[in-house]
Amino acid sequence: DAGVIQSPRHEVTEMGQEVTLRCKPISGHDYLFWYRQTMMRGLELLIYFNNNVPIDDSGMPEDRFSAKMPNASFSTLKIQPSEPRDSAVYFCASTNKTDQGFAFFGQGTRLTVV
Amino acid sequence: AQSVAQPEDQVNVAEGNPLTVKCTYSVSGNPYLFWYVQYPNRGLQFLLKYITGDNLVKGSYGFEAEFNKSQTSFHLKKPSALVSDSALYFCAVSPYNTDKLIFGTGTRLQVFP
Repeated sequence: DAGVIQSPRHEVTEMGQEVTLRCKPISGHDYLFWYRQTMMRGLELLIYFNNNVPIDDSGMPEDRFSAKMPNASFSTLKIQPSEPRDSAVYFCASTNKTDQGFAFFGQGTRLTVV
Repeated sequence: AQSVAQPEDQVNVAEGNPLTVKCTYSVSGNPYLFWYVQYPNRGLQFLLKYITGDNLVKGSYGFEAEFNKSQTSFHLKKPSALVSDSALYFCAVSPYNTDKLIFGTGTRLQVFP
């Protein structure tokens, strides 16, 4: 398995534009997490899914953020409209229930909103 | 509130010396505890975890961590640091009966030759 795959690796967009980040979890993993990493706030859990169902989205900062997992092999995190304060590195991670906490992380998407 | 604290933003240590990276947690019940490492421009990598049992947990690359329930701490240690250990280290907790992973703010470890 190639691990957790995120795309794009880098995204630069103008304020007000829609941004979509993509994640392909490891095959067979039933948990998927979206995190945001900034210098000021560290690593924040935004939302996580179990068996494609959102379980906890309390970390999603505002209504401009939305996440979906239409099937077991794909998830998106969308920001609409984007703002400069959304600039961060966004990580996707996946794991199994039996390996609780042993999460595999993607390499992240570095988002810059100008 | 459930939280993880890493009180040091940066730890500096000379190569060959022992290192400690501190972590304390605040959760109800018996949590699962973890350490992850992040190298530049990379995602996080799992180092070790404590679920139950022996308070001293051994992990990858010669790292170990000591669980102390009375002090609610889970400090990361290594007897002899290497320059290649220089990275960003995250402590994380998965509160009992949840599937979340809550991370601390990270500690940058700098090992000098």
